[in-house]
Amino acid sequence: NAGVMQNPRHLVRRRGQEARLRCSPMKGHSHVYWYRQLPEEGLKFMVYLQKENIIDESGMPKERFSAEFPKEGPSILRIQQVVRGDSAAYFCASSPMGQQAEAFFGQGTRLTVV
Amino acid sequence: GENVEQHPSTLSVQEGDSAVIKCTYSDSASNYFPWYKQELGKRPQLIIDIRSNVGEKKDQRIAVTLNKTAKHFSLHITETQPEDSAVYFCAANNYGQNFVFGPGTRLSVLP
Repeated sequence: NAGVMQNPRHLVRRRGQEARLRCSPMKGHSHVYWYRQLPEEGLKFMVYLQKENIIDESGMPKERFSAEFPKEGPSILRIQQVVRGDSAAYFCASSPMGQQAEAFFGQGTRLTVV
Repeated sequence: GENVEQHPSTLSVQEGDSAVIKCTYSDSASNYFPWYKQELGKRPQLIIDIRSNVGEKKDQRIAVTLNKTAKHFSLHITETQPEDSAVYFCAANNYGQNFVFGPGTRLSVLP
């Protein structure tokens, strides 16, 4: 059973471009969470999704950021018109359906905006 | 919403000593409390967790305690080793909600 897979591992974008970050949850997991981490800082919640539903997007900026978790395929975090301040590590985690279930993290995507 | 505080922010111990990290949470509905270890440049890894129907759980050198009344939980690492050096995050969760993380504790184990 492969773990949570994120790609790409590293992504460089110029200011104004779009960044697409992908997260394939562990097999059997239907919940996905995205977190952002700046160097030397903690894990800041962005969005929580289940298949085809956004459950909580309270941590995600209203502009330029969007997320989806389609019925088929990985979850996508999309950042439009990136700015230097978007440079960070973006981690996703997945958990199975059911109460009090463990969440496991992917390797993260390190986004650098130049 | 849930708020998780974590102390201390940094902790240095001598190899072989014990380390204790404490977290408090605000939402009494939270019922699952995992701990993650993150080494530099790597993903957070789940090291131990505790559910609200249990007061203590132990796994070799690592233990976690939970006080639901006081809404706090703690991570205990005994016989610390240099490879325990990392940032540790606590989290609180209730089903159907996101995981809320504490700000982290940087543990340094000095040889």
